[in-house]
Amino acid sequence: NAGVTQTPKFRVLKTGQSMTLLCAQDMNHEYMYWYRQDPGMGLRLIHYSVGEGTTAKGEVPDGYNVSRLKKQNFLLGLESAAPSQTSVYFCASNDSGYYEQYFGPGTRLTVT
Amino acid sequence: AQKVTQAQTEISVVEKEDVTLDCVYETRDTTYYLFWYKQPPSGELVFLIRRNSFDEQNEISGRYSWNFQKSTSSFNFTITASQVVDSAVYFCALRGSNDYKLSFGAGTTVTVRA
Repeated sequence: NAGVTQTPKFRVLKTGQSMTLLCAQDMNHEYMYWYRQDPGMGLRLIHYSVGEGTTAKGEVPDGYNVSRLKKQNFLLGLESAAPSQTSVYFCASNDSGYYEQYFGPGTRLTVT
Repeated sequence: AQKVTQAQTEISVVEKEDVTLDCVYETRDTTYYLFWYKQPPSGELVFLIRRNSFDEQNEISGRYSWNFQKSTSSFNFTITASQVVDSAVYFCALRGSNDYKLSFGAGTTVTVRA
């Protein structure tokens, strides 16, 4: 099992550009999450999904959109990137019956 | 709302010393779940332990041990006889029974010097 994978690993964007981060999991997990990690702030939830076709807002959803068209994939979109979105983005997943979240390797995004 | 405080920003020890990481949490839920994650320099987040609020037994796993005290809302983590490979950022996290998200502390950076 690959677990949780994220594409790409690194990306540099200019202000105003858009992009999509892809998260894939092969554990048949129902729940998927997108977090961002900023220095000194731990991880903060952006959006999450409790199943295929569902999405919901987390703590810091502004400027991001998500989609979960297939159970194994969870996409995070930046419509118009801003320097404040420079961060490391982590995807995570867990099964409905368990509470540990398993994390992907992260995507380091820089917006200039 | 859930809140996790890790007051120690950085801890530096010499190899073989013990190190204890503090975690204090706030929640109004009667049922909740506490976690520790490790983030080594490579950047991935590694799950270490989950503790349910109704299970106050302490746990030991090799050189790692956890002390859960509901009375003081603390879930502290001790590394015994630290090794260089223990150098990482350690996060404490909390999830309420009706929550989906994990609320993370700011993390404690542990540096173990040879």
